[in-house]
Amino acid sequence: QVQLQESGPGLVKPSETLSLTCSVSGASFNNYYWSWIRQPPGKGLEWIGYIYYSGTTNYNPSLRSRVTVSVDTSKSQFSLRLSSVTAADTAVYYCAKGYSTSSVFDFWGQGTLVTVSS
Amino acid sequence: QSVLTQPPSVSAAPGQKVTISCSGSSSNIGNNYVSWYQQLPGTAPKLLIFENNKRHSGIPDRFSGSKSGTSATLGITGLQTGDEADYYCGTWDGSLSAVVFGGGTKLTVL
Repeated sequence: QVQLQESGPGLVKPSETLSLTCSVSGASFNNYYWSWIRQPPGKGLEWIGYIYYSGTTNYNPSLRSRVTVSVDTSKSQFSLRLSSVTAADTAVYYCAKGYSTSSVFDFWGQGTLVTVSS
Repeated sequence: QSVLTQPPSVSAAPGQKVTISCSGSSSNIGNNYVSWYQQLPGTAPKLLIFENNKRHSGIPDRFSGSKSGTSATLGITGLQTGDEADYYCGTWDGSLSAVVFGGGTKLTVL
C-alpha cells in the first residue's frame, strides 16, 4: 500500500522559509509525478507544484518565484521550500502522488497544518 | 476565485441522486481530462474519478463522471449519509501551465 507522510515545522515566522518533507513508502519514485497541494483553513485546494522522478519541476505561476520542490530518490522523499511566507500561506499542506499524469492524484498524505505567525 | 466553478453546496435525501457541476473553459476542461475528489471532514482528498469518467480503484459504481465541452459533472446515486463531504473537480490548464481545482461543493445528505 502506498503511503505518504508530511513532516516539518507547524509554525513559521513571517518572511521566513517554510520547509516540508514528504516520505513515501510502498511505491517506486520512478515514472511518477510528486506534488504539493495546500488548503487554507475553510477554503479549497491549491496546487503548488510537482517534481517528476527525473527532477523536472513545474510550479503554480502564482507561487513560482517563492517555491522550490526537490527530490531525494535514495531516501524516497521529496521536499517543499516556500520562501518569504506571510499569513496567507497558512494552510494544511498535502503531498500527493501523481496517477499516470501530473494532474491526477491517487495517493495523498494526511496533511500537515503550517501556521505563519510571529 | 477558483479557475473552475462549482456550486458551493448541494443536498438530497438518502437514496436519491445528486449531480455536481464543474464549469471551466477551453484552456482547461475543454481540452483536458477532468478528475474528481471526495474530502470527508478532517481528512485528505480521495480520488474518485479520473479521465472524465473512469472510477479509481475501489470506488463504487454509484459514482460517475461525464464531460461535455467546457463542463464536467459528477453524479452520485443511492446517496448515503457517509457521502456527506466536500467534492472537488480538477484538471490541467494549458494557459496557466498549472493544475487547477474548483472551489469545492459541500454535499449534504438530508
